[in-house]
Amino acid sequence: DSGVTQTPKHLITATGQRVTLRCSPRSGDLSVYWYQQSLDQGLQFLIQYYNGEERAKGNILERFSAQQFPDLHSELNLSSLELGDSALYFCASSVRGAANEKLFFGSGTQLSVL
Amino acid sequence: AQKITQTQPGMFVQEKEAVTLDCTYDTSDPSYGLFWYKQPSSGEMIFLIYQGSYDQQNATEGRYSLNFQKARKSANLVISASQLGDSAMYFCAMRGVITNAGGTSYGKLTFGQGTILTVHP
Repeated sequence: DSGVTQTPKHLITATGQRVTLRCSPRSGDLSVYWYQQSLDQGLQFLIQYYNGEERAKGNILERFSAQQFPDLHSELNLSSLELGDSALYFCASSVRGAANEKLFFGSGTQLSVL
Repeated sequence: AQKITQTQPGMFVQEKEAVTLDCTYDTSDPSYGLFWYKQPSSGEMIFLIYQGSYDQQNATEGRYSLNFQKARKSANLVISASQLGDSAMYFCAMRGVITNAGGTSYGKLTFGQGTILTVHP
């Protein structure tokens, strides 16, 4: 158990809908990362937060948004969902977000858009 | 831009033998970190080993070692004495360094496409 909690584990929804994925980092970790894993794109970095502030941005679509709350949990919001958004979404955390820190990953949320 | 290349889509190894999973990288960052993660069929991502670009010695973690050749920009993972439970997808990843005005260094983790390792009894 990595200590990173993601909910829900599975999500099935329809095109055009909006969903929220939730992540609780390991106790003491200030930095949260979101990744998307799909068969054709592999593991893609979406966004990183550190202590409530956006730190780095990757290939995140405009239809997607995220935030990190004062209690350090994070939410990834996906709107106007398309079939291609079906993927495994990972949250990861590290202590400060320093370059040499290993990331601890949650077990992921499997999103299926029908 | 950072790039990680894993050229072996799949690898097979006999139980108790050693196996090397290849990883090459490309970056213009003077300082970076290299990671290996394991993803079993259950889906979670498990950290295996880390190597810093300025580390003089190759990293080792139990049965895992990282063969770091900086001039060749390679960071191969060596698994000794393979076990059936080692069957999984293995990802090489790299993290560049961005230092902000406050002195905090950070960077996104860029992953390779992965190598599926199958351990035969």
